[in-house]
Amino acid sequence: EADIYQTPRYLVIGTGKKITLECSQTMGHDKMYWYQQDPGMELHLIHYSYGVNSTEKGDLSSESTVSRIRTEHFPLTLESARPSHTSQYLCASSEWDRGLYNEQFFGPGTRLTVL
Amino acid sequence: QQPVQSPQAVILREGEDAVINCSSSKALYSVHWYRQKHGEAPVFLMILLKGGEQKGHEKISASFNEKKQQSSLYLTASQLSYSGTYFCGPPPGGFKTIFGAGTRLFVKA
Repeated sequence: EADIYQTPRYLVIGTGKKITLECSQTMGHDKMYWYQQDPGMELHLIHYSYGVNSTEKGDLSSESTVSRIRTEHFPLTLESARPSHTSQYLCASSEWDRGLYNEQFFGPGTRLTVL
Repeated sequence: QQPVQSPQAVILREGEDAVINCSSSKALYSVHWYRQKHGEAPVFLMILLKGGEQKGHEKISASFNEKKQQSSLYLTASQLSYSGTYFCGPPPGGFKTIFGAGTRLFVKA
């Protein structure tokens, strides 16, 4: 069973606030990802990381930032939340298997609402 | 550019079969398939690699045509538990855009 955790699960916050969405995995996976998904819509990759001190932007431009100081931890930060940031944020991780990309394990997600 | 999935949605009765297709305009070296049930996180179904290698956890079959840059997921004798949205895509890293828009599958009794 996958061990990847996200907190908080639900967050309602006012415009202009700084927020950090937490993601942790206990599987020792090198690669971690953040996706943004509106209800009923597709998954958009916003950030990914190959390992400690490695972060890359995904296909969807995002005002959020990420950091990867520890292998197991990949937090996402919004310096100033806006209503347009309202969405579900999913974190995932995978291991590197023989140079090929292995399956991704997803966390339960954080549903963010910015008023 | 994200992979294109077809059909966008399909409704089945229990026991019927369905095929979900995924095609890419870019070279594919592998294809991932995931299923997401309503209100839940996506769950891995299969990885298909060049050369015919496959890796999956469920009794769902799939094909990968490297030359045509296409993959198909075959759902046979569908069950109610198959309902959900199916996503395909190349893995992140090689291409920034990964998952297709998804195919919504609804299986009714």
